[in-house]
Amino acid sequence: KQEVTQIPAALSVPEGENLVLNCSFTDSAIYNLQWFRQDPGKGLTSLLLIQSSQREQTSGRLNASLDKSSGRSTLYIAASQPGDSATYLCAVYTYGQNFVFGPGTRLSVLP
Amino acid sequence: EAQVTQNPRYLITVTGKKLTVTCSQNMNHEYMSWYRQDPGLGLRQIYYSMNVEVTDKGDVPEGYKVSRKEKRNFPLILESPSPNQTSLYFCASSVTGTVISPLHFGNGTRLTVT
Repeated sequence: KQEVTQIPAALSVPEGENLVLNCSFTDSAIYNLQWFRQDPGKGLTSLLLIQSSQREQTSGRLNASLDKSSGRSTLYIAASQPGDSATYLCAVYTYGQNFVFGPGTRLSVLP
Repeated sequence: EAQVTQNPRYLITVTGKKLTVTCSQNMNHEYMSWYRQDPGLGLRQIYYSMNVEVTDKGDVPEGYKVSRKEKRNFPLILESPSPNQTSLYFCASSVTGTVISPLHFGNGTRLTVT
């Protein structure tokens, strides 16, 4: 059964730092991997989607990479801002198992 | 505006009183799904639907029912709610079941069962 983990569980950084969030999954037979952002009391907003055949996707200051063979993805956030403070979740869509989410990384960017 | 709309946002009920949480999307998406989010357990899938009249169980379907009679609506039904169903519920949709496009989430329904 697919399992998804995220490291670190929480992260606090000063504004302007570049940072990396990690996502690991146990079953490499995935269709795609998505990164989401969740603000307190709100739903999830899709940030980036990487198909299984792709290595990375970029959107503005965000870059997500995927190494399917090793079961890992990273989300790189450049020049972090206080508005980036949120919980970041990754999710994999696996053949026959549908979506499985990681527990999330809670990010605080301090002004 | 493209969106997934859930109602109600907050609901407090008593054990055993049937309730329905509605979910509607205006993007003509084929795929819809329900999740519950609990501290320490993360997001877990309850049910999903690949298209009209096609529904399947997710990881935690016990105590829940769904129906998909129209493409835009995917209600979640709790026939006899129990306190362990107290949770934050999310509905989500995507263009197709092969999920080559992102999942769009509603804003959530916080359910308390006493």
